Amino acid sequence: GAVVSQHPSRVICKSGTSVKIECRSLDFQATTMFWYRQFPKKSLMLMATSNEGSKATYEQGVEKDKFLINHASLTLSTLTVTSAHPEDSSFYICSASWFRAAANYGYTFGSGTRLTVV
Amino acid sequence: QQPVQSPQAVILREGEDAVINCSSSKALYSVHWYRQKHGEAPVFLMILLKGGEQKGHDKISASFNEKKQQSSLYLTASQLSYSGTYFCGTEGKGNQFYFGTGTSLTVIP
Repeated sequence: GAVVSQHPSRVICKSGTSVKIECRSLDFQATTMFWYRQFPKKSLMLMATSNEGSKATYEQGVEKDKFLINHASLTLSTLTVTSAHPEDSSFYICSASWFRAAANYGYTFGSGTRLTVV
Repeated sequence: QQPVQSPQAVILREGEDAVINCSSSKALYSVHWYRQKHGEAPVFLMILLKGGEQKGHDKISASFNEKKQQSSLYLTASQLSYSGTYFCGTEGKGNQFYFGTGTSLTVIP
């Protein structure tokens, strides 16, 4: 249980175009999903917390107009990188929390999206 | 808010033991441990919630100190499959989840 599917796994786009990344919880409902960005050999940096039916909460320094997050249903959150530039090239990963008991919960991750902007 | 891990990298021979530390300047609500293989998503290992708690399965275990500011991950009799980058993580005030700085572990034959 607690499977998260992320698509696409890889995308190459031209500078100035927009790219949408989807994150779906397959066997559970996720009221909250998280979006991370990871540079090579670095840790995962939280970009924003996506809440179903409300606006996302962005971390300091993350441009909300650049990285549009929509969480329209309990099983789907999307991240759209608008007007992409080469510096947006990165590995993007979504996650959702799962819960089994008060002391048994964690986060499950999508397989990630490798974005290359040329 | 990002926990700091040490060491940054470690190389082991198969069968050797390793300890990875995760420290925070403030008390943590919880500490999670994840392992990430290159190009893949992080995989959940375990969560600790209580000060003084110890938890483990197989040959990987973890502890959370009494003040809940430091956690250690113990890998005993390491196997080749243990190679990867290990991250601790913790929850923020607003339901966010933050990863530590990461520790690269390489097990060689």
